Amino acid sequence: QVQLQESGPGLVKPSGTLSLTCAVSGGSISSSNWWSWVRQPPGKGLEWIGEIYHSGSTNYNPSLKSRVTISVDKSKNQFSLKLSSVTAADTAVYYCARFRGPAKWFDPWGQGTLVTVSS
Amino acid sequence: SYELTQPLSVSVALGQTARITCGGNNIGSKNVHWYQQKPGQAPVLVIYRDSNRPSGIPERFSGSNSGNTATLTISRAQAGDEADYYCQVWDSSPHVVFGGGTKLTVL
Repeated sequence: QVQLQESGPGLVKPSGTLSLTCAVSGGSISSSNWWSWVRQPPGKGLEWIGEIYHSGSTNYNPSLKSRVTISVDKSKNQFSLKLSSVTAADTAVYYCARFRGPAKWFDPWGQGTLVTVSS
Repeated sequence: SYELTQPLSVSVALGQTARITCGGNNIGSKNVHWYQQKPGQAPVLVIYRDSNRPSGIPERFSGSNSGNTATLTISRAQAGDEADYYCQVWDSSPHVVFGGGTKLTVL
């Protein structure tokens, strides 16, 4: 079955760029699914960041759109997130997930990775 | 933008039935999905498209959706069901909306 694993620095300086990668195993990223990033600040709820199709088509949360770039690397079966101009408010656990079906639900999820923005 | 409203907390006695609601304007016209999140873990899908259970999810979990309210029902609640539960829909913008989450306590 499909599994996802996030990786990247756990600490980013304010005003810097957060960069994470999600490796997909047990299935092809070129299947008929979208792939997504979701984050969760400590003690708070879930916030959708954006999604990408293997063709490179993307959709972003309007509240983050100016700072977010999601890309795909089919040769490595992975997709990536870049979030620029980060502040302490971007401190969160970042999850990648497969976005399924025309009705759009998340399954499965990666285990998540905590990214702290601090100097 | 579209909003989903969940109660902050729900309590249920061991072995009884818990109902967690998710309110939204005409939510009955949308597909609602539910996730369970235990402390320190990633969310897990428990219901998709209003009332469908993924493989591996017990039959005790069920869902319904009508009018302005979707409901996740957990029958014969167990201690292991204690978790945060989130509802989610796909909307035209910002595409994905999550409810604020409900903490389920099993007494």
